[in-house]
Amino acid sequence: DTAVSQTPKYLVTQMGNDKSIKCEQNLGHDTMYWYKQDSKKFLKIMFSYNNKELIINETVPNRFSPKSPDKAHLNLHINSLELGDSAVYFCASSQIIGGGAQETQYFGPGTRLLVL
Amino acid sequence: AQSVTQLDSQVPVFEEAPVELRCNYSSSVSVYLFWYVQYPNQGLQLLLKYLSGSTLVKGINGFEAEFNKSQTSFHLRKPSVHISDTAEYFCAVMTNAGKSTFGDGTTLTVKP
Repeated sequence: DTAVSQTPKYLVTQMGNDKSIKCEQNLGHDTMYWYKQDSKKFLKIMFSYNNKELIINETVPNRFSPKSPDKAHLNLHINSLELGDSAVYFCASSQIIGGGAQETQYFGPGTRLLVL
Repeated sequence: AQSVTQLDSQVPVFEEAPVELRCNYSSSVSVYLFWYVQYPNQGLQLLLKYLSGSTLVKGINGFEAEFNKSQTSFHLRKPSVHISDTAEYFCAVMTNAGKSTFGDGTTLTVKP
């Protein structure tokens, strides 16, 4: 059973299009994240949701809108795609433990987005 | 604010040699420390973590790391590497608020 799954695995699209990436976790975690990994493999957090509420929102263009219908899902919708959005997008989840500490993050396999 | 510096972007070593991947961090608040490994075309996988307690932590695949608070370092070590250890390694810190910051990664290449 896949702990954190993402769909699609690959996404090739034209500039200006709108696309969504879906993420689901079956670990019962209460916190989910989206990360962007660029071509140089630099990994940067984009968003974090805890119990369906946004708790971290880095300086991401508002063309990116996360949506969490429930604790197990965190989808990423991207409007008006640009060339610079080409990257690998990783979803992750974790569980808050005692004292507010965050436990290990479990990562999905990634979605490779290519904008032409 | 937090920052993570992985001091070596690329580390080539021969098989069965020891390796150390260096990580320094800075933070104005307490953080938890992690090392993740990313194999080609895959997601990140946790190697080990330091939350509290003993400063020497052991992880999977024979890796270990030592937390040094005075030097704000969390270097990763393995006494004898295998070809299969070739991958990208990320050091990361996380605050209580759930904010995580990753280093830029170190590419470990193990040669026969």
